[in-house]
Amino acid sequence: EPEVTQTPSHQVTQMGQEVILRCVPISNHLYFYWYRQILGQKVEFLVSFYNNEISEKSEIFDDQFSVERPDGSNFTLKIRSTKLEDSAMYFCASSEAPGLLDHTDTQYFGPGTRLTVL
Amino acid sequence: RKEVEQDPGPFNVPEGATVAFNCTYSNSASQSFFWYRQDCRKEPKLLMSVYSSGNEDGRFTAQLNRASQYISLLIRDSKLSDSATYLCVVNLMTTDSWGKLQFGAGTQVVVTP
Repeated sequence: EPEVTQTPSHQVTQMGQEVILRCVPISNHLYFYWYRQILGQKVEFLVSFYNNEISEKSEIFDDQFSVERPDGSNFTLKIRSTKLEDSAMYFCASSEAPGLLDHTDTQYFGPGTRLTVL
Repeated sequence: RKEVEQDPGPFNVPEGATVAFNCTYSNSASQSFFWYRQDCRKEPKLLMSVYSSGNEDGRFTAQLNRASQYISLLIRDSKLSDSATYLCVVNLMTTDSWGKLQFGAGTQVVVTP
């Protein structure tokens, strides 16, 4: 069964450093997302991406965050200058399409990258 | 008011019993609804989509009540493997906001032998 993959599974970094989290969405999916979950809290939307553009971003997704689809398979989240409060689990997700027919808006999540900022 | 609210539990359920819990959502324009399950420190995994007429998938039954803005999940014949946190998820699905899933904080279910 196709699945979303993410690397690395765990990233430890020093405050102020840049990190890049990588995701390989399901191959026939065209819509991509990043979410984060701070330990003990709910999953929060960061950004959605389609056709090489950001479609929507949350207030969390400020100027230190960026996303990119550098090639036909990878989807990345870059955090330019990490802060202690960026420590969280970051989940990538993908979906076929946002339409309501057959629930093609269903999003499938990768296993996550645990980011620890020291 | 929170966008998606859930009773955090835990719901302690004897093996073989039935458990049910609800979730409420604040935006009446919400279009798409899901239940995901999340095991400790793992990713959310789709349990089932929730259709307007209600739907069943094996031991799991989901209902949607648009008038009262709540979604329910019922688990019959609980198994030990059903122990998890169940996440209620809502998607507004407008032209401006079509992919932003809004998650509840989750309802913890613990199935005991």
